[in-house]
Amino acid sequence: DGGITQSPKYLFRKEGQNVTLSCEQNLNHDAMYWYRQDPGQGLRLIYYSQIVNDFQKGDIAEGYSVSREKKESFPLTVTSAQKNPTAFYLCASSIGSGTQYFGPGTRLLVL
Amino acid sequence: GQQVMQIPQYQHVQEGEDFTTYCNSSTTLSNIQWYKQRPGGHPVFLIQLVKSGEVKKQKRLTFQFGEAKKNSSLHITATQTTDVGTYFCARSNFGNEKLTFGTGTRLTIIP
Repeated sequence: DGGITQSPKYLFRKEGQNVTLSCEQNLNHDAMYWYRQDPGQGLRLIYYSQIVNDFQKGDIAEGYSVSREKKESFPLTVTSAQKNPTAFYLCASSIGSGTQYFGPGTRLLVL
Repeated sequence: GQQVMQIPQYQHVQEGEDFTTYCNSSTTLSNIQWYKQRPGGHPVFLIQLVKSGEVKKQKRLTFQFGEAKKNSSLHITATQTTDVGTYFCARSNFGNEKLTFGTGTRLTIIP
């Protein structure tokens, strides 16, 4: 059963805490992406990776970090430097500049 | 930046009425993609348009790409409650796989 998975579905962060969101795909896609979506808003690109061991900042990378050690995995860490982290986080993957396939998302809430 | 403007931001229609959302760019687009996001869900790819003046249909949905490749539209004929959601256009950027999403049009249906 191919696809892209994200975990957890909901995540709570305390002040000053780093949290990591998981994104895994078994579609054999080279490119992976992280987006942030605020209520009633569009998608803003945080980071993207076109190939293993390489990634680039998107439009709102400050306060976030990523790694791409394996083709299948692209975890996102929301650091304590991100002062307003409450949002819906979406991971996606693609072959080249074609269709992007999205995971179900993780909702991050700050306690 | 290479933004895409999408209008309207919101649209409320009576069930059975038609709906159209427009996507506009100040620069020529290599291609345009359309996605649908149901409430609480994740974006799902609908279609990609590449050729100038291209028109594609999916049942009640009609997608158009402008002759100058600077604008695109999505038209839904005789809306149904299953059409509820936010429709996003997205442009690709020359040289990499990154997409820039429009702001989206949220469609609500009055039964």
